[in-house]
Amino acid sequence: AQSVTQPDIHITVSEGASLELRCNYSYGATPYLFWYVQSPGQGLQLLLKYFSGDTLVQGIKGFEAEFKRSQSSFNLMKPSVHWSDAAEYFCAVGGGRGSYIPTFGRGTSLIVHP
Amino acid sequence: GAVVSQHPSWVICKSGTSVKIECRSLDFQATTMFWYRQFPKQSLMLMATSNEGSKATYEQGVEKDKFLINHASLTLSTLTVTSAHPEDSSFYICSVSLGVTGEAFFGQGTRLTVV
Repeated sequence: AQSVTQPDIHITVSEGASLELRCNYSYGATPYLFWYVQSPGQGLQLLLKYFSGDTLVQGIKGFEAEFKRSQSSFNLMKPSVHWSDAAEYFCAVGGGRGSYIPTFGRGTSLIVHP
Repeated sequence: GAVVSQHPSWVICKSGTSVKIECRSLDFQATTMFWYRQFPKQSLMLMATSNEGSKATYEQGVEKDKFLINHASLTLSTLTVTSAHPEDSSFYICSVSLGVTGEAFFGQGTRLTVV
């Protein structure tokens, strides 16, 4: 069965600092990987996705993520965080059970200090 | 992508009453939609898979008589919380999935408060 681990419940960064949110997955084949962001009281918005090809993928809002097969990781990065990036971030893996149904990590809450 | 609209964004109801939440796929014909429940500071919990023209598939532990799902068209699924109780208070989110990759697009969510 596929699974997703986000080891950090909370991450605190200063505005302007770089960011890396960790995500590890367990899946038997090449996974379909996603990062979503959720602002308070809102649904989830897709930031970026990886299906195949270049292992460094670019997303919206200046985010990028790198797929590392050897480490079963798909970490989310941003070179300079803005206060508006404060939100909950979810890593997800698709293509497994039911195919249409992604498996989500528990989420990482990003806190941005001015 | 797909644009998913969920209504209402919030609702307050009295114990014992029923509440209906609508999920519309505005630009994508969705034979399947998904309903999630999210507790504060937690991840999404899949409640059920809504299938157009047939019965929904509920996850283990989800009461199908409590959470009625209807998917009468390719663009609309509804979740009705029947005889709501305070413990049903939560954030409910619907989504559509574009295919076998699991790429999903979400509605804005509905905050249900039962008093």
